[in-house]
Amino acid sequence: NAGVTQTPKFQVLKTGQSMTLQCAQDMNHNSMYWYRQDPGMGLRLIYYSASEGTTDKGEVPNGYNVSRLNKREFSLRLESAAPSQTSVYFCASKIGMEDTQYFGPGTRLTVL
Amino acid sequence: LAKTTQPISMDSYEGQEVNITCSHNNIATNDYITWYQQFPSQGPRFIIQGYKTKVTNEVASLFIPADRKSSTLSLPRVSLSDTAVYYCLSQGGNFNKFYFGSGTKLNVKP
Repeated sequence: NAGVTQTPKFQVLKTGQSMTLQCAQDMNHNSMYWYRQDPGMGLRLIYYSASEGTTDKGEVPNGYNVSRLNKREFSLRLESAAPSQTSVYFCASKIGMEDTQYFGPGTRLTVL
Repeated sequence: LAKTTQPISMDSYEGQEVNITCSHNNIATNDYITWYQQFPSQGPRFIIQGYKTKVTNEVASLFIPADRKSSTLSLPRVSLSDTAVYYCLSQGGNFNKFYFGSGTKLNVKP
C-alpha cells in the first residue's frame, strides 16, 4: 500500500514549455486534489475531483488543467509554463466527505 | 467561505505543553475543524479533527468552545521532532474546498 504517489519528484522547465504532473493513489479514495505551495506559504487548492469523472476549480486554477483518468489517477497539466508557476505541487486524496486528506510527497517545479 | 487566522510562529521548549489557537469567526454550522502538521519537504499530515467541545487522540487534543469561533490545538510534552508548521482548517461549507492559510511555525528548543 503505497498511499499517494507523485511523479516526477523534481522538474525544471523553460518558460512556455508544457508538462504533466502525475498523481496516483491506491487507497480506493473517491476525491483527489492538487495544491501548490510557494515558499513560506500555506497550500492553495488548484483543482479537485470529488469523484471519478468530475473536476472543479479551486482557489488558483488559472494556467492549469486537470484530468481524472480513472479512480486512481489525477493529473495536472501546465500547457505553457510561466515563472510564477515555480512551486511545490502536492496531490492529496480522501475517501469521503468528512474524512481527512492524505498527501503525496510533492513535486518541486522550477520554471526558468 | 470560512477562513482561519493563526499566529505566524511560536517557540517552546522540550517537555512543555504547547497550545496553538486558531480563529474561524465565519465558521458555518456544518463545518468541521481539522489540524494538519507539515515537516519541511513533506506533504501535510492529519493530526486531529473535531466539531465541538473536546477531542483527544494519541497525538493531541482539540478544544472547541460552544460558539465554535475559535479552536485550540494542544500538544502535550513536545519534543524536538514536533518542530513543524501546523495548519488549522475549516471546511467552508464545501467538503472539497480546503483553505490552509499560512499556518503556525512551531519551533521546539532543547
